[in-house]
Amino acid sequence: EIVLTQSPGTLSLSPRERATLSCRASQSVSSSYLGWYQQKPGQAPRLLIYGASNRATGIPDRFSGSGSGTDFTLTISRLEPEDFAVYYCQQYGTSPYTFGQGTKLEIK
Amino acid sequence: QVQLVESGGGLVKPGGSLRLSCAASGFTFSDHNMSWFRQAPGKGLEWVSYINIRGTYTDYADSVKGRFTISRDNAKNSLYLQMNSLRAEDTAVYYCARREGDYWGQGTLVTVSS
Repeated sequence: EIVLTQSPGTLSLSPRERATLSCRASQSVSSSYLGWYQQKPGQAPRLLIYGASNRATGIPDRFSGSGSGTDFTLTISRLEPEDFAVYYCQQYGTSPYTFGQGTKLEIK
Repeated sequence: QVQLVESGGGLVKPGGSLRLSCAASGFTFSDHNMSWFRQAPGKGLEWVSYINIRGTYTDYADSVKGRFTISRDNAKNSLYLQMNSLRAEDTAVYYCARREGDYWGQGTLVTVSS
């Protein structure tokens, strides 16, 4: 099983700041089958990034993904108030399709 | 617009069974592989099961293998999850989603408790 470790666990930032979230895999993720999700309380996850670096439909360009192999990053260039949420990475290249434990992005 | 609507959740005793349904609309259901995910209260996301377009290939997380069965009816645009031998640790909100992860339902809560 591929274990995904996200860091930090909690990130405290202010609106308009830049956020950098990390996701490290215990082994190489097949063909960059790595996605990022945003989840707000009481809501289903929302796909932000697929294939490590491709923005999903309707996702603002302040969200970007990068990385390959075992190290991946989600960057939010300039935080908006609605961006404060929990973020998960997921690998969907090798079964079981595992998630990281999440990074909570909170307002400082 | 694309919609996925889960139903069938509820309170069940340990060892009991439940069948979840997911009604799909707004897209060609038979063109998409589908998955079930779950999220225990206050916890992270967990992939549960996957089914291919025709229903000829399925896959399960070890935590549910042998107890849960995923299926689909393309004529009815519906996805199912038959859950048997339920345990307290199966308590979670269950989501259906397209394999691409781009569309998710709103979730249905399953509570396993005596």
